[in-house]
Amino acid sequence: EVQLVESGGGLIQPGGSLRLSCAASGFTVSSNYMTWVRQAPGKGLEWVSVIYSGGRIYYADSVKGRFTISRDNSKNTLYLEMNSLRAEDTAVYYCARVRVELSLAAFDIWGQGTMVTVSS
Amino acid sequence: QSVPTQPPSASGTPGQRVTISCSGSSSNIGSNTVNWYQQLPGTAPKLLIYSDNQRPSGVPDRFSGSKSGTSASLAISGLQSEDEADYYCAAWDDSLSGVLFGGGTKLTVL
Repeated sequence: EVQLVESGGGLIQPGGSLRLSCAASGFTVSSNYMTWVRQAPGKGLEWVSVIYSGGRIYYADSVKGRFTISRDNSKNTLYLEMNSLRAEDTAVYYCARVRVELSLAAFDIWGQGTMVTVSS
Repeated sequence: QSVPTQPPSASGTPGQRVTISCSGSSSNIGSNTVNWYQQLPGTAPKLLIYSDNQRPSGVPDRFSGSKSGTSASLAISGLQSEDEADYYCAAWDDSLSGVLFGGGTKLTVL
């Protein structure tokens, strides 16, 4: 079965760090473009970052310099390292597969999401 | 670049046809394809329309997409109660080198 399972969310103080994981099954992470999208409570979707199969990476301005996307090919897992966390980073974080042959914004497989709460 | 703009809400009665608009700019919708997502309460988004007007396998043909210039639309015909959800448009933005989502439209089936 093709699926993504996120983990690593939780309650963290402002200024702290957290690493989210996204384990894939049924397909190979390194052969696909993979992305992170977040959704603040009661708000809309916000794109966070993408990593291409060839390794190119892009970030939203709101997280640039603080977040790092990466993958571990041996574990078939995508990561999001989040540093200098702020209250406005509080959100459900989803990982998703990009169907690049359809569109750079076509995300066909989504994880269930993991909640990150930044609060003192 | 202009973040895609959607109406915050839309509504219709069962069997009706409703449309949801998405207005962007030349750097996103004007030069890249539009995708639509459906998000049911408490669940992850689901790809509903890709490449402006294509439906993934399993999406009913009641859902259709169109695009003209820097604007796109999602149409839902034969509205059903299970269509009550949030709908988002999304497109790559060449100026930002990133994906922009519309603000989302909450569809209510009366």
